[in-house]
Parts: sequence; C-alpha cells; structure tokens
Amino acid sequence: GAVVSQHPSRVICKSGTSVKIECRSLDFQATTMFWYRQFPKQSLMLMATSNEGSKATYEQGVEKDKFLINHASLTLSTLTVTSAHPEDSSFYICSGLDRGSGEQYFGPGTRLTVT
Amino acid sequence: AQSVTQPDIHITVSEGASLELRCNYSYGATPYLFWYVQSPGQGLQLLLKYFSGDTLVQGIKGFEAEFKRSQSSFNLRKPSVHWSDAAEYFCAVAGNTGFQKLVFGTGTRLLVSP
Repeated sequence: GAVVSQHPSRVICKSGTSVKIECRSLDFQATTMFWYRQFPKQSLMLMATSNEGSKATYEQGVEKDKFLINHASLTLSTLTVTSAHPEDSSFYICSGLDRGSGEQYFGPGTRLTVT
Repeated sequence: AQSVTQPDIHITVSEGASLELRCNYSYGATPYLFWYVQSPGQGLQLLLKYFSGDTLVQGIKGFEAEFKRSQSSFNLRKPSVHWSDAAEYFCAVAGNTGFQKLVFGTGTRLLVSP
C-alpha cells in the first residue's frame, strides 16, 4: 500500500511555544489529508480535513487558531500547534486520501509532550 | 451521527486459537465499515472493508469480518492467531462519503499468549 510519513515521531516542547508536525504522502498525491488526535486508551478523533490549496475544515470543538493546518502541496500537509499547553500533549496522526483507490493511508503518528 | 462501540478493551488469545473482536455501529443508513490494525511505530493499516454486497468480507493476514445489519455488528475473526497479530485493532464507520470522515471505536488490544 501507499506510504505516509510523519515528522517528527516524537517532540517535547515547553508550554507557550509552537510546534510543527509534517505529514507527507511518499508515493501518491493526496489532495485531501486528515488530522487525528488520539488520547491514551481512546479512539482516534478527527480534528480537521485539509484540501490542497484551500482552507482546512475543522471538526466541532477544535480550535482552528490553535491548530493551524497548511496543505500547500499534493504531498505535504503541516499541523502547527500554537502556544502549546500541557493539555495539548497527545498522539497526532495524519492520513492521506488516495483519490485513485479512494483509501486513506495513515502516518505512524507524532507523540507531542508539552512540559 | 455515526458511532462505533468496541466493547472489549483487552483480549488475550493463545497462539493458534481462534479470535473474534466485536464491533457494533450506529448509523441510520447502510454504513461503510472498516477494520484497521495499529502496531507500535507504524501507521494504521487497513485489514478489510465492507461497502456493499457479500456480507462476509475477506481481508489481509487471514482476517475476515461479517456484516450483520440486524445486529448492527461487524465482528472481526481469524481462525488461528499468530504471535505477530498482537496489536491494537480499530473498527471504524463512515457514511456515504466512503473512506472519508471515519469515526473510530476505542480499539481492542489483542494480546497473544504462547
């Protein structure tokens, strides 16, 4: 299957700083990418849907000014957590939608710890 | 709104024994149903999916699942579990958008004992 990478795999940042997470589709073009958040022992919660070249669509309850999403190319989407706080600590997972197969391919996730 | 329930948080199965992971969904129309597996350090991998047609679907790695509309269930089965099957398994549902807007269950962690 197709491959999606995320970078970094782990990041620790101080409270009040911002951190950027990259999501890349390596062998397909992802016109749509999704960002999920996963809490320990809980399911993946969709945060937002990003379409290449347009603004992201955020799910209810997700602060769009805190979680900035940019989808500038067909293979790259970024999630920036601004002014991070300890409650933002979580596992963030992205996926890319392969229009050819119609299937979502998931990245390995990024563990964010805010101290 | 769609929702998914996976009632078992943990399941331990002996290697070589059969496996069934339960999944119940809530959706007003015919759902699109998925099973994913998550291993540490790897992205979620699609095991199988049901969109329409035959209610018994075959997937990768010897897994199968059966869609039962009357029970709103989509249970995952494997006749003989291997130690490498130990992982977290997620059931997911989508509406008529297919693979988009997936709603996941809370997952079932499978432990395989020797």
